[in-house]
Amino acid sequence: AQSVTQLGSHVSVSEGALVLLRCNYSSSVPPYLFWYVQYPNQGLQLLLKYTTGATLVKGINGFEAEFKKSETSFHLTKPSAHMSDAAEYFCAVTKNSGGSNYKLTFGKGTLLTVNP
Amino acid sequence: GAVVSQHPSRVICKSGTSVKIECRSLDFQATTMFWYRQFPKQSLMLMATSNEGSKATYEQGVEKDKFLINHASLTLSTLTVTSAHPEDSSFYICSARDDTGELFFGEGSRLTVL
Repeated sequence: AQSVTQLGSHVSVSEGALVLLRCNYSSSVPPYLFWYVQYPNQGLQLLLKYTTGATLVKGINGFEAEFKKSETSFHLTKPSAHMSDAAEYFCAVTKNSGGSNYKLTFGKGTLLTVNP
Repeated sequence: GAVVSQHPSRVICKSGTSVKIECRSLDFQATTMFWYRQFPKQSLMLMATSNEGSKATYEQGVEKDKFLINHASLTLSTLTVTSAHPEDSSFYICSARDDTGELFFGEGSRLTVL
């Protein structure tokens, strides 16, 4: 079975400060890992994903995440927060089965607030 | 990019009635769609996998007679909440997979049962 733990249900940063959202996963097989963003009353938008290859993944809106197998982590970072980054962020995992199994398991989410 | 559209975005109904939510892939064909349920301030819980032309696969604990899923075409899946009750009030989100394996999410449908 797979699981995702997002440390911190709420993260608050100042505009211009570093954003760090933590995600640890548990998987018995090599994982695919994802970060999604959700704005109020909207669906999810993919920020970035790791499948294979380079462990540092760059996504949209200046976000990036690094897959660290030894730490079973996939933390999301952004060097400088913008007010528009305020949203809910979800980390998700699925099995790397080679067949694009997108039955995702989501973390509980981290609400990011950005203070002016 | 690919777009997945859900309709309605918001629906209010009386207890005991049935509500249908549509999920459409607007510019690609999706053999597989997924339905999720999201409670306030919580994560998405997968309810079922909708397969075009065959029966949906439900996750453990999800009542298939309560949440009817139909995937009659490659661009449309529907979720019908039958005999809805207040505890069924939630945010329902669908996702669809294109032929490259990429997954796209709909905007979500908020159901309120009075």
